[in-house]
Amino acid sequence: KNEVEQSPQNLTAQEGEFITINCSYSVGISALHWLQQHPGGGIVSLFMLSSGKKKHGRLIATINIQEKHSSLHITASHPRDSAVYICAVPVGTSGSRLTFGEGTQLTVNP
Amino acid sequence: DVKVTQSSRYLVKRTGEKVFLECVQDMDHENMFWYRQDPGLGLRLIYFSYDVKMKEKGDIPEGYSVSREKKERFSLILESASTNQTSMYLCASTHSGEYQPQHFGDGTRLSIL
Repeated sequence: KNEVEQSPQNLTAQEGEFITINCSYSVGISALHWLQQHPGGGIVSLFMLSSGKKKHGRLIATINIQEKHSSLHITASHPRDSAVYICAVPVGTSGSRLTFGEGTQLTVNP
Repeated sequence: DVKVTQSSRYLVKRTGEKVFLECVQDMDHENMFWYRQDPGLGLRLIYFSYDVKMKEKGDIPEGYSVSREKKERFSLILESASTNQTSMYLCASTHSGEYQPQHFGDGTRLSIL
């Protein structure tokens, strides 16, 4: 069983919809990462958070450490938000090594 | 901006060949990583390095080796390529410590025929 579980695996939305992607993890962590991968392969880091909530533009990430759960929300979704969203948590003692969820494929239709 | 550069976007090789994938970063990062990404399996760590000439096995090191002779460069080597190594390979780098984002290259889509 993967230490990081994401849901849903696939998500299709209409432009303007509010989107939520969920991530649950089984290990104790100091921080959780949300990443975005566009078609073509490149991956960018969206958020690192260890408590509460972070916001960047239309993206909001929340985390509940006690429940070992995080959510990524996208407000007023746009076709350019179409991508794979990946949740990751640190493993080992260094904090640098990550284990990843399988990703959520988001498609936003115009 | 941090730049992580992988030597090839697409690569086609034959079974049994020795294959080199190169990764260079320009931000003096201590840590570098090699992942492979397959549908339904997500990103899996092959090897990582936390310093020059230092390496540690990840989750799936079999059939691979790595080299880190200089801080900025981390090479992944397929000693004798096999068809089950057809995959997307991604390199990443980061400073040491917690709360450090990983910076990824654009990936190399490798096909072994």
